[in-house]
Amino acid sequence: AQSVAQPEDQVNVAEGNPLTVKCTYSVSGNPYLFWYVQYPNRGLQFLLKYITGDNLVKGSYGFEAEFNKSQTSFHLKKPSALVSDSALYFCAVRDMDNTGKLIFGQGTTLQVKP
Amino acid sequence: DTAVSQTPKYLVTQMGNDKSIKCEQNLGHDTMYWYKQDSKKFLKIMFSYNNKELIINETVPNRFSPKSPDKAHLNLHINSLELGDSAVYFCASTLNNEQFFGPGTRLTVL
Repeated sequence: AQSVAQPEDQVNVAEGNPLTVKCTYSVSGNPYLFWYVQYPNRGLQFLLKYITGDNLVKGSYGFEAEFNKSQTSFHLKKPSALVSDSALYFCAVRDMDNTGKLIFGQGTTLQVKP
Repeated sequence: DTAVSQTPKYLVTQMGNDKSIKCEQNLGHDTMYWYKQDSKKFLKIMFSYNNKELIINETVPNRFSPKSPDKAHLNLHINSLELGDSAVYFCASTLNNEQFFGPGTRLTVL
């Protein structure tokens, strides 16, 4: 069965510092991987996806993620964090059953302090 | 224009009642989903419809009944509400591997 894991419940960084939110995956075959962000009391917003191609994927709001097949990871990164980046981040993998449904990680709360 | 909309945004009701949540997407997508986010923020698929046909039913109690009158709408009806149904319910639609989510409906069962 496909799955993703986000090993950190919370990540704290200072504004201006680089940030990393970790995600590892377990799939049979080539994964379709996604990052979503959820601001308080809001829906999920799409950040970026990896389907194929370059391992470094650039997304919205200055975020990027690196697909690493050997480490089965898809960590989310940003060179310089903003206080407004504070939110709940979800990594997801598309299930291989062709329904298109997403399997989500448990979420990581990012707290950026001024 | 809102791409995926849900009504109501908040729903507070008593145990045992029956309630519905509506979802509409104006993106022309064929596939729509319902996800449930529990109190620990964990997100899990409930149902999916493709062009008005049910394609996913993830062991959800049969008190939950989705209905898709057309491919732009996927409504969720819940009978005999229980305390454990309290959650945020998200509707989504998909095209080209990207899912677009609605703003969510926070259901509180008292």
